[in-house]
Formats: sequence, structure tokens, C-alpha cells
Amino acid sequence: AQKVTQAQTEISVVEKEDVTLDCVYETRDTTYYLFWYKQPPSGELVFLIRRNSFDEQNEISGRYSWNFQKSTSSFNFTITASQVVDSAVYFCALRGPGRRALTFGSGTRLQVQP
Amino acid sequence: EAGVTQSPTHLIKTRGQQATLRCSPISGHTSVYWYQQALGLGLQFLLWYDEGEERNRGNFPPRFSGRQFPNYSSELNVNALELEDSALYLCASSSGASYVEQYFGPGTRLTVT
Repeated sequence: AQKVTQAQTEISVVEKEDVTLDCVYETRDTTYYLFWYKQPPSGELVFLIRRNSFDEQNEISGRYSWNFQKSTSSFNFTITASQVVDSAVYFCALRGPGRRALTFGSGTRLQVQP
Repeated sequence: EAGVTQSPTHLIKTRGQQATLRCSPISGHTSVYWYQQALGLGLQFLLWYDEGEERNRGNFPPRFSGRQFPNYSSELNVNALELEDSALYLCASSSGASYVEQYFGPGTRLTVT
């Protein structure tokens, strides 16, 4: 079975602080795909990144960076110099090669205070 | 490029009634997925349609059903509504490749009273 754990239910930071959102996954598949989505108060899930299991290269996109470590089954997300607009619920998700449905973690609510 | 659209935005129904939710995928996408986001239960997979066929369903009772039309739009039907069906229903679409990401619509908030 697949499982995604986001142990941090809620994080509150002050603007300009760096923040890391943790994601730990479980799967028996040798090939799988990991995702991060952002859900602002409007409710729509916004796709942020996809990472394939065979590509452990970390990625940086502006203030966002992702650290994928297969050895610890983790796919953590860091926001540098956080801004109020980053306030949202962030979901980590997993999908196996033959399974189209996404398995989501329970989400981490990030509050960035001005 | 237009994103995934869903209608209606909000839907209020009485217990025992039927609800119909609609979704239009991104142009060129053939797969449509439905997820339920109920308070305290997180995001749960409901149904997956591809090329007009139901390909997989999550752990939900048969009163949750749907279909996909020739233009790849989709409909989710919930029969015999129960109070616990109150949730945000999110539709997502993707292209035919198995590895690609899913893009989500704004959701339909269903309230059952």
C-alpha cells in the first residue's frame, strides 16, 4: 500500500523566515512519482512540482526548493524568505506507475505572518 | 489555455436527494479524476475516467458514480445523499501519459442538510 505522511499539521512563521515542509512516503513500487500541491483559501489545488523516483536531483525554482532523498523516503519542500502570499495548505502526493490516482498526505497549513 | 472548470461552485441538497457535479478538463486531456475533500478526512480518490471508460474507483459506495462524455468532460453523481457527503469535490485532468501531473479545478462545495 502507498502512504504519505506530513507530520506537521500547522506551521506559523514570520515573513522572510525560511520554512521547510516535511513529507515522508511509503511505497513498494520501484518506480513512482512525487508531487507537491498548494491549496490557497480559494480551494483550488495548484501544482508545484513533480519528481520521478529515478531522478534524485534537487530542484530550485525561485524561492522554492525541493530535497528528494530516496534513502530516507523523504521529499521535503523549503520556502526561502517566506511571504504572506505563501500562506496556504500544502499537500505532498505519491503515485505508482500503474496507479493513476494520487495518494495525498494530510497536508500542512502554513501561516506566514506579516 | 483554459484550466479545468467545474460547476456548480456551490450546491446545497437535502439528505436523500441526488447531486450532479460537472467537470471540463483542459483541452487535450483525456483523463479525468474525482477527489473528495471532506473536513478531517483529507483528499481521497473517488473515480478515474479515461477515454470514456471508468478505469478505477476509490473506496466509496456505489451511490457515487459518474461518466465521461465523448468530449472528455465528466459528471459525478451522488445518489441518496448523506450528511457525511458534505465536502469539496475536486476534479483533475491529465494527458494520457502515466507519469504526468494532474491539474485541478476550483472544486464544487456540496452541502447536505
